[in-house]
Amino acid sequence: QKEVEQNSGPLSVPEGAIASLNCTYSDRGSQSFFWYRQYSGKSPELIMFIYSNGDKEDGRFTAQLNKASQYVSLLIRDSQPSDSATYLCAVTPGGSYIPTFGRGTSLIVHP
Amino acid sequence: DAGVTQSPTHLIKTRGQQVTLRCSPISGHKSVSWYQQVLGQGPQFIFQYYEKEERGRGNFPDRFSARQFPNYSSELNVNALLLGDSALYLCASSLGQARQPQHFGDGTRLSIL
Repeated sequence: QKEVEQNSGPLSVPEGAIASLNCTYSDRGSQSFFWYRQYSGKSPELIMFIYSNGDKEDGRFTAQLNKASQYVSLLIRDSQPSDSATYLCAVTPGGSYIPTFGRGTSLIVHP
Repeated sequence: DAGVTQSPTHLIKTRGQQVTLRCSPISGHKSVSWYQQVLGQGPQFIFQYYEKEERGRGNFPDRFSARQFPNYSSELNVNALLLGDSALYLCASSLGQARQPQHFGDGTRLSIL
């Protein structure tokens, strides 16, 4: 069973701060990594994805991969109260087309 | 362009009944996956279809079945409903099968009484 682990939180940060969310994965051959945001009562929304060849920055969001330690991070700069949500990490194991999801980390950005 | 559409939005059933959930993928997307999400957990994989063929099945009982139609839309069927089947059922589509990001619909919230 390929596993994806996330701290359930909540992670609480003040408005304007950097929020750092982490996700560890068990399969060393994993090659694609996804971050979804899920507001309470809503469905997951894709916000970032990276492959094993590098990190990515998109506006306030940066996704970083540490292959040696088998974790992927999502950094949210200038956090806003509207960023308060659960962030789901999904990892596609090597040899598979099906991503495995973590249970998500709850982020609270307080004014 | 329209996103992934799912119907119905909400559904209430009783134990032992059967349910059919429907999903239309984003135009041009050929892969559809179904997930079950219960409160406090991440989505759990049920099925993946690509080009109308089943390409993956999660750890769910045979009461769960699905199919994909020539227009790439999909149905998820659940027979002999149990209380534990109460969940948010999510459909996600992607362009192809290979490691591409999936986009989710709004989901169908199924409640079993």
